[in-house]
Amino acid sequence: GDSVTQMEGPVTLSEEAFLTINCTYTATGYPSLFWYVQYPGEGLQLLLKATKADDKGSNKGFEATYRKETTSFHLEKGSVQVSDSAVYFCALNSNTGRRALTFGSGTRLQVQP
Amino acid sequence: EPEVTQTPSHQVTQMGQEVILRCVPISNHLYFYWYRQILGQKVEFLVSFYNNEISEKSEIFDDQFSVERPDGSNFTLKIRSTKLEDSAMYFCASSETSGDTGELFFGEGSRLTVL
Repeated sequence: GDSVTQMEGPVTLSEEAFLTINCTYTATGYPSLFWYVQYPGEGLQLLLKATKADDKGSNKGFEATYRKETTSFHLEKGSVQVSDSAVYFCALNSNTGRRALTFGSGTRLQVQP
Repeated sequence: EPEVTQTPSHQVTQMGQEVILRCVPISNHLYFYWYRQILGQKVEFLVSFYNNEISEKSEIFDDQFSVERPDGSNFTLKIRSTKLEDSAMYFCASSETSGDTGELFFGEGSRLTVL
């Protein structure tokens, strides 16, 4: 079945540091890939997405590239801010007719000033 | 900006009691979902709902669970007889029928604690 594996957190960084959160997946078909973010006290929000191989999703300085050969969708940001502190979830939709998303376990990012 | 709202934000209940979690999806959305996250674990899909019926459910969604859209706005999740292992954060989500597959809009979650 479909599955998503994320690096365990928490990830603690200083402001302006480079961020990578690893995500790999297993899926049938040709999945769409997503990163959702959950800020403290809020619901999950779509951060970025990619729907086919080699696509790059980007938003708010975050980027992730759909790598079919390595079945990965790692999230990166060149310079994190304190306001980026949140839980980040990698997810996929297998595009086999299901509309449900399969999520990873989430990675908590803590950015210190 | 339209948003999904959930109530209550936190509910504490005794084992064996019935619980109803409520959600108001975004008004023009037609697909509705419930997910849950047990502390420290993955966000797990429970059920999706479209056109007044369940369109998909996971193995977690057994006979103890039910969903309903009692009126034009609310979407509820009922747990008939709660167990300790039902303690989790429950997220409601909605999506449009058309547009990009998988773009779900989530509420803030309802934390359920079963004692």
